[in-house]
Amino acid sequence: DIQMTQSPSSLSASVGDRVTITCRASQAIRTYLNWYQQKPGKAPKLLIYAASSLQSGVPSRFSGSGSATDFTLTINSLQPEDSATYYCQQSYTKWSFGQGTKVEIK
Amino acid sequence: EVQLVESGGDLVQPGGSLRLSCAASGFTFSSYWMSWVRQAPGKWPEWLANIKQDGSEQYYIDSVKGRFTISRDNAKNSLFLQMNSLSAADTAVYYCARTGAYNLATSDYYTFDVWGQGTTVTVS
Repeated sequence: DIQMTQSPSSLSASVGDRVTITCRASQAIRTYLNWYQQKPGKAPKLLIYAASSLQSGVPSRFSGSGSATDFTLTINSLQPEDSATYYCQQSYTKWSFGQGTKVEIK
Repeated sequence: EVQLVESGGDLVQPGGSLRLSCAASGFTFSSYWMSWVRQAPGKWPEWLANIKQDGSEQYYIDSVKGRFTISRDNAKNSLFLQMNSLSAADTAVYYCARTGAYNLATSDYYTFDVWGQGTTVTVS
C-alpha cells in the first residue's frame, strides 16, 4: 500500500504569510494527488486535484505542485479563514490520505 | 444544490451490524462513482470502498473487505454501506463522497469532490 507522509504536522503563521506544506508518497504516483481542507466538525473540502489543478470556487491563493513522490501545497497570503487541517490524498491505487497538517493563525 | 445526506449511524455493540445510507440530490447520481470514507476521532480520513456508476464494480480497503458491502440504488439516488462484525476500531464519522473524475491530458483523475456531513458510528 502507498503511504503518504506530510510535513510539518502543524504550523503557526501570520496573516499575509506564505505557507508551504509538503507531502511525500512511498512510491511514485505520477500526479494522482489531491489536497483537501478540513475545518473542525466539517467534512473535508477539495482544493486541488491532479497535483496542480485548482478546484472550481477555491481562491487562487491556493496552489499545488509536484509529481512522482514529492508534492507541495502553497497558500499565498494566508487569511484567517485558512485556519484548518490540510490533507493530501493519492488516487493512484487504493486511495489513501496523509496524516494532515494543522495550520493555525498567529 | 448538490447535496449528500448520510443517515444510519448509531451506537452498536462489538460484533454487531449497521447499515448506513446516503441520499444524493442536485446532480445525476447514476453518472458518478461513489465512495465511503471514514474518519476516526483525531485521525485522518480513510477511504473504505467505492462503487461504479451501474454498481457492477466495487473496491474495498483490505481492513473492511469481507465485512463491509457497498451498494447503490440509482432509481432512489441512494448509496448504502452494510457493516458487519463491527469492532471498536470501526468507531468513526462515516462520510459519503461523490467520486468525481476530471479528465486531463487523456487521463482520469479521481477525487472526492462532494462530501456529506457525516454520520457517527460508535462501537462500544
